[in-house]
Amino acid sequence: GDSVTQMEGPVTLSEEAFLTINCTYTATGYPSLFWYVQYPGEGLQLLLKATKADDKGSNKGFEATYRKETTSFHLEKGSVQVSDSAVYFCARRNTGGFKTIFGAGTRLFVKA
Amino acid sequence: DARVTQTPRHKVTEMGQEVTMRCQPILGHNTVFWYRQTMMQGLELLAYFRNRAPLDDSGMPKDRFSAEMPDATLATLKIQPSEPRDSAVYFCASGQSRDRGRSGTDEQFFGPGTRLTVL
Repeated sequence: GDSVTQMEGPVTLSEEAFLTINCTYTATGYPSLFWYVQYPGEGLQLLLKATKADDKGSNKGFEATYRKETTSFHLEKGSVQVSDSAVYFCARRNTGGFKTIFGAGTRLFVKA
Repeated sequence: DARVTQTPRHKVTEMGQEVTMRCQPILGHNTVFWYRQTMMQGLELLAYFRNRAPLDDSGMPKDRFSAEMPDATLATLKIQPSEPRDSAVYFCASGQSRDRGRSGTDEQFFGPGTRLTVL
């Protein structure tokens, strides 16, 4: 079935370091792809999305490119801040579908 | 601004008691989802509704869990009887799927969650 696999955490970085969180998805259908972020004590919120191959989603300095050839949607940020410490979820949703399939989440710690 | 609201935010109860969690989706949204989040299992989809009709509740233990939408502004998740293994954070999320010519969105909007502890 449809699934999303993302790198295990936690990921610990120093402030201003480069961030990559890997995400791959099963190649069935033509899914939309998402990154959600969950800050401590809160629900998930959408960070960025891409709806077709080669689209790049971006928000708050984060970027991810929909790569159909590698079935990947890796999250990147050039310079992380302490305030980026959170859990990041990669997700997919089939076109016309209602369910969103979430990955297991990757916890990011950023040290000052 | 429009938000999904959930009540209560925290609930501590004893094993065997009934628990009811409530969710108010964003006005105008036609899909509602219930999730459970634990350290061990991560984020699990329990059930979801579209236009108040249940579409899938296969993620829910049927013998003790029930989910309903009495009206478009209220979704409920009940556990009866509750067990310690039900301790988790329960999230409600809403969205707007494309429906009868109306535009939709892929995004789900999450509430702040109900943290349930069953002793």
